Order: sequence, then C-alpha cells, then structure tokens
Amino acid sequence: GQNIDQPTEMTATEGAIVQINCTYQTSGFNGLFWYQQHAGEAPTFLSYNVLDGLEEKGRFSSFLSRSKGYSYLLLKELQMKDSASYLCAVLYNFNKFYFGSGTKLNVKP
Amino acid sequence: GAGVSQSPRYKVAKRGQDVALRCDPISGHVSLFWYQQALGQGPEFLTYFQNEAQLDKSGLPSDRFFAERPEGSVSTLKIQRTQQEDSAVYLCASSFKEAGVSYNEQFFGPGTRLTVL
Repeated sequence: GQNIDQPTEMTATEGAIVQINCTYQTSGFNGLFWYQQHAGEAPTFLSYNVLDGLEEKGRFSSFLSRSKGYSYLLLKELQMKDSASYLCAVLYNFNKFYFGSGTKLNVKP
Repeated sequence: GAGVSQSPRYKVAKRGQDVALRCDPISGHVSLFWYQQALGQGPEFLTYFQNEAQLDKSGLPSDRFFAERPEGSVSTLKIQRTQQEDSAVYLCASSFKEAGVSYNEQFFGPGTRLTVL
C-alpha cells in the first residue's frame, strides 16, 4: 500500500558505503522508519525521520525530503553482519504503518 | 523477558484447520499491531489495538481472520479454515504510546511461521 518503493537487492563490499533509497506517497505522511531484518528474525528499529534532513546514528544515517517523498538509509564502513534486509516503513494519518518490500543487502568480503 | 514474545514459533496446519497465534507484548505497551509477512516481502498491516479496543482491522484479508486483546495485554490472532495462501510469517509488534502520537517506535516479536499444507 501507499506505493512505498525500494530496490529489491543490492551488493556492496566490506568497508564500503551503501545508500538504500525509498520513495513513498506524500499525502498523509507522519514519519518514516527504517528497520533491519536478518533472515528468520524480527525487524529491529534503526532510525526515524519526520523532519527534512539527515539523522546520524553511528555508522547509519537516514535522510528525508518530505516534499519529494524520498528517503535514504546510508550505511558506512560496511561489515559482514550488515547483510540483511532493510525495510522502509511510513506512518500515515498517525495510525497506519505501510512497509516497503525490503532491500536485501549482500555484503561481500 | 523484556521483549515481545510470540508462540508458537512454527505452526503447520492442514488446509481447513483453525489456528490460534499468541502475542505477549512488552508490559505496559498501549498499542499492539499484527502484520503478515510473505516470503521476500515487507510486513503488511492486519490490525491494531489500543489497549483492549480494536481500532483498525482494515488489513484483515477475510472474515476467517479474527483478533482479540480482551484485557489489553496478550493478544490472539485466530485464523479459521486455513488456506494455503495464509502461509506466511505473522508478526506482532507493540509500542508504548497510542498510534496517534507521531513518534512511536514499534518493537517486533520473532514471529510465527505458519505453513498450511
């Protein structure tokens, strides 16, 4: 729902930087979340953006442009353990979360 | 434990059987959400509780799906007459505040993997 789009799969090298993009419908927007999900495990919270700009948290940063309906998750100094799916989720009208299909990130040595 | 727990972790059902999936949210959390996650997809919203009140059930795919949270803590998702298309991971999430508050991180349980044969 709400056309939350993110790439299906990406591959990057250990130690590198990778950017995972997410686009969404802007009407009713109340916040955007990024989650990490390892195979067979529950999603875990990474970041939250509700205002335009960059939020930095250690090796992970998330950016939001509300007017463009666009966000990205930036992962620096990639580690093998970062291999996982990354889910973009948008809160609409304060009461409903819609998730993208997830981006599977493969980190290779 | 301090996290959200779900049981069973795995459930195999024959087509037509009824199943019940349990979620124990974090103590004191007001909001509880159920999601369905198909293989290779993101979670899809099923239903939302604020305490014991089911405020949104618009994501339930059919009237075979029923959820309850009678005392505002533990929740059960029941699926009647299961079909093969019901096979998925069912995730439960809870959050401290009601859903109408802007920032409201959800904490997810490990999920129940349902396989309908």
